[in-house]
Amino acid sequence: DTAVSQTPKYLVTQMGNDKSIKCEQNLGHDTMYWYKQDSKKFLKIMFSYNNKELIINETVPNRFSPKSPDKAHLNLHINSLELGDSAVYFCASSWLVSTVRTGELFFGEGSRLTVL
Amino acid sequence: QQQVKQSPQSLIVQKGGISIINCAYENTAFDYFPWYQQFPGKGPALLIAIRPDVSEKKEGRFTISFNKSAKQFSLHIMDSQPGDSATYFCAAGEDSSYKLIFGSGTRLLVRP
Repeated sequence: DTAVSQTPKYLVTQMGNDKSIKCEQNLGHDTMYWYKQDSKKFLKIMFSYNNKELIINETVPNRFSPKSPDKAHLNLHINSLELGDSAVYFCASSWLVSTVRTGELFFGEGSRLTVL
Repeated sequence: QQQVKQSPQSLIVQKGGISIINCAYENTAFDYFPWYQQFPGKGPALLIAIRPDVSEKKEGRFTISFNKSAKQFSLHIMDSQPGDSATYFCAAGEDSSYKLIFGSGTRLLVRP
């Protein structure tokens, strides 16, 4: 049983298009994240939601909009895609150990986005 | 700005050798230092983690050494095996922040 699942696994699209990536976790965690991994493997946090509330919103373009319909789902919508958006996007989840500390991150297998 | 600096970028070790990956941080508020392991086509997975109240933590062949005064920590993989070939990320987190800051990763190749 997959703990954190993302769809699609691969996404190839043209510049200017709008696309979404979906994430679901069945671990019962209360916190979910989106990370971006660039071509040099650098992992950078983008957003985090705790029980549908946005708790981390890093400096990313407004074209990126996360949505959490419930605590088991976190989707990422990207408008007007640019070449620089090409990357692997990882969803992750964790327990919120306290009001300020998260526990172990469980990552999905990633969604590779290629913008042509 | 790179809050967690990781080196080397890549590492080749013979089977049975010791792999050593180093990380340095700047923010003295960091108090949680995990290492994640990532195999090709997979997401990173927690390998081992340490908090600054101890200087070393060992789990099987994997050991974290932590030097609080130098603001450095390292991962040692003893008796490295080809199955250890992966990308390793150090990370740091702090109280009052939900974020983990990741290093830039080290690609480890263990030759048979």
